[in-house]
Amino acid sequence: AQKITQTQPGMFVQEKEAVTLDCTYDTSDPSYGLFWYKQPSSGEMIFLIYQGSYDQQNATEGRYSLNFQKARKSANLVISASQLGDSAMYFCAMREVMDSNYQLIWGAGTKLIIKP
Amino acid sequence: DGGITQSPKYLFRKEGQNVTLSCEQNLNHDAMYWYRQDPGQGLRLIYYSQIVNDFQKGDIAEGYSVSREKKESFPLTVTSAQKNPTAFYLCASSDRGVKNTEAFFGQGTRLTVV
Repeated sequence: AQKITQTQPGMFVQEKEAVTLDCTYDTSDPSYGLFWYKQPSSGEMIFLIYQGSYDQQNATEGRYSLNFQKARKSANLVISASQLGDSAMYFCAMREVMDSNYQLIWGAGTKLIIKP
Repeated sequence: DGGITQSPKYLFRKEGQNVTLSCEQNLNHDAMYWYRQDPGQGLRLIYYSQIVNDFQKGDIAEGYSVSREKKESFPLTVTSAQKNPTAFYLCASSDRGVKNTEAFFGQGTRLTVV
């Protein structure tokens, strides 16, 4: 069963507009973590933001914020005031414990293109 | 500077050859991972290692092998048994004991069969 779902394969957004990238997850582990990574065309994976399952407040890092709705199992990434450099693939990932080991489960990604 | 180094950046393999991708980290991380990424797709786990001299298969381990003789190093061998090895390979590491620590990634190796 899919554990991380990113329903938007691709998005076009006008520069300076806000962007919301969707991510839903499924886990039975009560103590999990959710991550967002950016992958530009060069290929490296850049960590953006983290949300722990017990965190009371939504995570924020500069222009990035996480709209964490635990009951809905949703962890959407919000990018405010988008820039041309935000064009990239974006991946949602979840860390959970499986067989006493930490595993990162990845979504399929969303390709974001910022239009000038 | 601490980080993860993958080499080479580009690698070409002939049919039937084994090739080894290097991954070195100086972050003192216990856990290391190898992922495969096909064009337009997400990451799929090949192998991971939580401690030295121990590793586990991921979702797509067939045709691959690894070793973890040193904490800093986690090389991946793509064997001739891997029928479709052309892909982008990413190595990552994380601090096993801290659940909210992000995984750090190398720059990746792009493998092409010629």
